[in-house]
Amino acid sequence: DIQMTQSPSTLSASVGDRVTITCRASQSISSWLAWYQQKPGKAPKLLIYKASSLESGVPSRFSGSGSGTEFTLTISSLQPDDFATYYCQQYNSFGTFGQGTKVEIK
Amino acid sequence: EVQLVQSGAEVKKPGESLKISCKGSGYSFTSYWIGWVRQMPGKGLEWMGIIYPGDSDTRYSPSFQGQVTISADKSISTAYLQWSSLKASDTAMYYCARQSYDRAFDIWGQGTMVTVSS
Repeated sequence: DIQMTQSPSTLSASVGDRVTITCRASQSISSWLAWYQQKPGKAPKLLIYKASSLESGVPSRFSGSGSGTEFTLTISSLQPDDFATYYCQQYNSFGTFGQGTKVEIK
Repeated sequence: EVQLVQSGAEVKKPGESLKISCKGSGYSFTSYWIGWVRQMPGKGLEWMGIIYPGDSDTRYSPSFQGQVTISADKSISTAYLQWSSLKASDTAMYYCARQSYDRAFDIWGQGTMVTVSS
């Protein structure tokens, strides 16, 4: 089983802040890493796939980077609509999600 | 419009069986994998398993192997998740999602809430 470790679990930030979330895989997953945003009571939404490819319709303030075992999701300037929970997922071997990062208003 | 529409909320007793569904439309149902994801109340996402409706090739997470059965009927573009004997710990929201080759889970269903209580 590939394990995904996401940090931090909670992040307090203000509108306009640059925010970075990290995801670490227990073994190399090449670039088979996705990031999702989930708001309360809603299904997750794909933001980034293949580690750094922006899903159609997702604002360009979201970006992803990394390969192998270390990955990051960056929000360049946090907007009110971005307060949510973010999950990474490896899909190199079946699929495993990280534990999630809740982005809260500071 | 590409979409996955899931069956409605269920309330069941421990020991009962259940089959929930996920109907795809707006795309070639047999050309994409369909995965199932569990989210227990207040918790994170858990990958349960995945099926390729084209040939019914199915893979399970070790955590869910033997606990649930994933199937699909390509003639009606529908995937299923079923339990033979529910437990209270199966209480959760269950999502289906389409997996494309490189874009992971790009389309999600709206979720089906399953409540198991005596």
